Amino acid sequence: EPEVTQTPSHQVTQMGQEVILRCVPISNHLYFYWYRQILGQKVEFLVSFYNNEISEKSEIFDDQFSVERPDGSNFTLKIRSTKLEDSAMYFCASNEEGFANEKLFFGSGTQLSVL
Amino acid sequence: AQTVTQSQPEMSVQEAETVTLSCTYDTSENNYYLFWYKQPPSRQMILVIRQEAYKQQNATENRFSVNFQKAAKSFSLKISDSQLGDTAMYFCAPPGGGADGLTFGKGTHLIIQP
Repeated sequence: EPEVTQTPSHQVTQMGQEVILRCVPISNHLYFYWYRQILGQKVEFLVSFYNNEISEKSEIFDDQFSVERPDGSNFTLKIRSTKLEDSAMYFCASNEEGFANEKLFFGSGTQLSVL
Repeated sequence: AQTVTQSQPEMSVQEAETVTLSCTYDTSENNYYLFWYKQPPSRQMILVIRQEAYKQQNATENRFSVNFQKAAKSFSLKISDSQLGDTAMYFCAPPGGGADGLTFGKGTHLIIQP
C-alpha cells in the first residue's frame, strides 16, 4: 500500500528556533493535513490544504504556523518561533477526495521536542 | 468542530477474550464514514476499520467488527479473540465536518494481558 512519508522522525530544537517538518503525501492525493498529538492526549487537527491553499485551520494553527507545498511533492509545516508547548508528535495525512467520505492515510509522525 | 466521546479511558482484558470499545459522536452530516484508528506504542496511526453511514450492515474486518447505531450516533468497536498485539490506543473518528478531515476522540487505552 502507498505510504505518506515524514522526515525527520525526531526533531529537537531550542525554544524560539524555527523548525520545518516535511511530508511527502501519496502521489495522487489532493488533500493534505497536519495533525498533532501532545503526549498522552488526543490527536488534534491543525490545518487542511487543497489546491495550494489552506482549506481550514484550527485555533491551534496561529500565526506561528505556516504550511507550504513548495514543489508538487513535498508538504511542509513550519513553526516560526517554537515554544515549549509545541512539543508533540506531528502527523501528516493525505487523501484523494477530501474530508468526510474517505480514510486518511497517516505518516509515521515527527516527534518534536522543544527544549 | 464535531464532538466525539470515548467514555472508557482504559480497558484491560485477558488474551483471547472479546472486548468492546464505545464511541458516541455528534455530526450534522447525513452520509459519512466513520473510522477506528489504532495507535500502538510506536505511535503510528493505523486504520482498523471503516463504516459507511448509509449502509445498515455493520463493517467487519477479520477479528474486528463494529456496532453502528446511526440514530443513536453510536459506533462501538468489538475485538474478538484479542491478541497481545492489539494492545494500543484506539481512537474513534467520525467526520470533522468541512475540510478538517476527521475529529478524534480522546482514545481508549486497551491492554491485552497474557
